[in-house]
Amino acid sequence: SHELTQPPSVSMYPGQTAGLTCTTDGLPNQYVSWYQQKPGQAPVMLIYKDTERPSGIPERFSGSSSWATATLTISGVLAEDEADYYCQSADSNGDNVIFGGGTKLTVL
Amino acid sequence: QVQLVQSGSELKKPGASVKVSCKASGYGFSFHAINWVRQAPGRGLEWVGWINTNSANPTYAQGFTGRLVFSLDTSVSTAYLQISDLEADDTAVYYCARGSLGDRNTFDYWGQGTLVTVSS
Repeated sequence: SHELTQPPSVSMYPGQTAGLTCTTDGLPNQYVSWYQQKPGQAPVMLIYKDTERPSGIPERFSGSSSWATATLTISGVLAEDEADYYCQSADSNGDNVIFGGGTKLTVL
Repeated sequence: QVQLVQSGSELKKPGASVKVSCKASGYGFSFHAINWVRQAPGRGLEWVGWINTNSANPTYAQGFTGRLVFSLDTSVSTAYLQISDLEADDTAVYYCARGSLGDRNTFDYWGQGTLVTVSS
């Protein structure tokens, strides 16, 4: 089966650069998307197709992918970036969607 | 602008049924898939399945077959999630999410979520 593994938590100081990872243990042949979820709110798409950023998403959010690991980079973390971040992909056939367990980003 | 507006919170007893609605606006309803995602209290996101808004053909994630039914009313651009024989473990926020054009597995817009609480 295809699973996505994320570290449960990351802590950063404002202004630091955060790299949130998403590691797959299956065939890495599907794109990865990233979502931000703040408490009590619906998720918001930050990155799709590994590296693409939708309009309206700040440039400090960027995505990259290398073999079995996708990374969401937040350059110059702000207090408002404190949230849960989820990576998402699909199985090798694209039939089933998979979410990582999520990373809680705390801004100190 | 694109919006997905879901119905309000529900409190149900075990064994009852619930129907959550997701009304789309601001785009051509039949051009984008509608996905359903569940989030149990304090837990992560879990994909429940999707429905083809052209054919109304539903696909359910493993572990969600049997008690869930996806449906559409294209005349009012609305998707529905019905859960029957509710159990306490069904307590969660249920989101609808639009599949992006060309890739139904990328969720570009989300509803605000509907909290379903199952309690006696």
